[in-house]
Amino acid sequence: NAGVTQTPKFQVLKTGQSMTLQCAQDMNHEYMSWYRQDPGMGLRLIHYSVGAGITDQGEVPNGYNVSRSTTEDFPLRLLSAAPSQTSVYFCASSYGGKTKNEQFFGPGTRLTVL
Amino acid sequence: ELKVEQNPLFLSMQEGKNYTIYCNYSTTSDRLYWYRQDPGKSLESLFVLLSNGAVKQEGRLMASLDTKARLSTLHITAAVHDLSATYFCAVAKTSGSRLTFGEGTQLTVNP
Repeated sequence: NAGVTQTPKFQVLKTGQSMTLQCAQDMNHEYMSWYRQDPGMGLRLIHYSVGAGITDQGEVPNGYNVSRSTTEDFPLRLLSAAPSQTSVYFCASSYGGKTKNEQFFGPGTRLTVL
Repeated sequence: ELKVEQNPLFLSMQEGKNYTIYCNYSTTSDRLYWYRQDPGKSLESLFVLLSNGAVKQEGRLMASLDTKARLSTLHITAAVHDLSATYFCAVAKTSGSRLTFGEGTQLTVNP
């Protein structure tokens, strides 16, 4: 299994540009989430999904869109990039239901917005 | 709103010493996670604690959970340089899809 994969690893955008961060998992996990990590801070939840076709907002959703058309993929879209969105983005997945729900994290995407 | 606080935020230790990292959280939860992060890397799962009184050990690290006190501890025994990293605790209020993280404890183990 490849686990959780993310592309790209690095990205530089100009203010106002849009882009999509890709996330895929091959573990048949129901739950998928996007977090951002800023220097000196823990991870903060952006959006999450409990299954295909179901998404909801996390703690810091503004400026981001998500959709989940398949179990495997959970892309994160930046609609109009702003310097405040400079961060490292992590995608995570886990089994659903009353299980340990241990979340497995992808390698991250380091995004810089100029 | 669920809040998670870790202390200390920075910890410099000598090899061979013992120390404890504390994780307090503000509302009832029955799932607590500990992660390790090396610089520039992703998060590595260390422990998942599911019930009051749960204790788990892996090598020089031992984690425990007291749900009544809303407190988890990560105890380091006889620290070695390889344990230098940032350690995060995270709490799931309901299902595991929504984690709230502490700020992290940056641990440096000096020879």
